[in-house]
Amino acid sequence: KAGVTQTPRYLIKTRGQQVTLSCSPISGHRSVSWYQQTPGQGLQFLFEYFSETQRNKGNFPGRFSGRQFSNSRSEMNVSTLELGDSALYLCASSLDTNNSPLHFGNGTRLTVT
Amino acid sequence: GDSVTQMEGPVTLSEEAFLTINCTYTATGYPSLFWYVQYPGEGLQLLLKATKADDKGSNKGFEATYRKETTSFHLEKGSVQVSDSAVYFCALTNPTYSGNTGKLIFGQGTTLQVKP
Repeated sequence: KAGVTQTPRYLIKTRGQQVTLSCSPISGHRSVSWYQQTPGQGLQFLFEYFSETQRNKGNFPGRFSGRQFSNSRSEMNVSTLELGDSALYLCASSLDTNNSPLHFGNGTRLTVT
Repeated sequence: GDSVTQMEGPVTLSEEAFLTINCTYTATGYPSLFWYVQYPGEGLQLLLKATKADDKGSNKGFEATYRKETTSFHLEKGSVQVSDSAVYFCALTNPTYSGNTGKLIFGQGTTLQVKP
């Protein structure tokens, strides 16, 4: 069974640009969550999607947005990039049953210059 | 709000030493607790979990017991190997009030280095 797939693995963008990251969950998983990982702030929850609807949202500015498609694949978008957005962005999927664990992808490393 | 606190790292041990990584949490209701591990260049892998008080999660020689009285979920392994070198994250999710959720609250992570 294929795991969570994130593309691209690495991305370099310039301040002010926008970026779109993609996540394909494990087959059958309908919940997709996104996290930002930085050395200073650690792992922080961005948002979660279930059945194409945002179910939870973390404390990030409106420049961070996401969506989920009918096949459960998800994208996140960051507009007007800032240097501080440089991070590893991790996607996770789950079955969404009681206490079902999250399965993480290997992440997209975004560098903003 | 809910939070997780882990012991500061890095932790450096010799092979076959005993490992303890402390984790305490603050949460209302009945959170579920997890340990995740991250190897260099990779995402997080679930190591073990416990969903109610006194549950013991175990996997690959690692164990952790959900202690509600001390709000702790310490990770232990009796004999570490070089291949255990990684970053370990304690985390909780709290479906008590919001149902199933993909929102995990993580501790800051503890780097473990095991030397031969």
